[in-house]
Amino acid sequence: RKEVEQDPGPFNVPEGATVAFNCTYSNSASQSFFWYRQDCRKEPKLLMSVYSSGNEDGRFTAQLNRASQYISLLIRDSKLSDSATYLCVVNNPSGGSYIPTFGRGTSLIVHP
Amino acid sequence: DTGVSQNPRHKITKRGQNVTFRCDPISEHNRLYWYRQTLGQGPEFLTYFQNEAQLEKSRLLSDRFSAERPKGSFSTLEIQRTEQGDSAMYLCASSNSQGGPYEQYFGPGTRLTVT
Repeated sequence: RKEVEQDPGPFNVPEGATVAFNCTYSNSASQSFFWYRQDCRKEPKLLMSVYSSGNEDGRFTAQLNRASQYISLLIRDSKLSDSATYLCVVNNPSGGSYIPTFGRGTSLIVHP
Repeated sequence: DTGVSQNPRHKITKRGQNVTFRCDPISEHNRLYWYRQTLGQGPEFLTYFQNEAQLEKSRLLSDRFSAERPKGSFSTLEIQRTEQGDSAMYLCASSNSQGGPYEQYFGPGTRLTVT
C-alpha cells in the first residue's frame, strides 16, 4: 500500500458545483497535513493546512479524520480558475524527523 | 521578489555528464527541501536541511545524487554521471521550523532533460 493515496481523476465538474477529494495515508503516526495546488508545468503552491478540528478558507474546507486516516478537501461554488491538480501532503516520521510525503494529485477540470 | 528561486530553469545534458542545480530559499527560512517530480506524479522527497545540517538523505535516489547547503543559505543538488531516467523536474522548497513547521514554499523548479 502506498504511503499516501489519491484518486488521480480527472474530476470534471461544471462551474458552481461542489466537489470533494479524499487523500488516505497509511501511517497512523503521521503529523501535519496540507493541501497544495499545482497548475500545469508550475510549482506546487500551498492551498491550506489541515487542522484536527477542520478548517475553512473561503470556498475551501479541509478536514482530517485520524480514525480512518484520511484528509479531505471540499470546494464549493467551483470556478473555472479552480482547474488544477490538488496534492495532499502528509508528514511521516522517519528516524527522529518527519518526511513530507506527497500524493500523486487529483486533477480537477471545471468547465463552463 | 522574495520567494524561492532556482537556477537554471532548464538544463539539457548528455548522458554521463554531471549537473548541478542551485536553490535560494526565502531568506528567513531555515529549512530547505529537494524533490523530484515526474509527469503524473507528486513531488518525491529527496533530502532536506535545517540550517546547514542535512537531516535526512536516505531518500536520495542513488549515490550519484548529493546535496549541500554550506552556509545555511543557498543549496546545491548535484547529479553525477546522469542517466536518461534522471530526466525530471527538480523542485526546491523552504520552510520555517519556528512556526507552522511544515508549510513549504516551492521554487519554480529546474527541468532536467538527459539525452
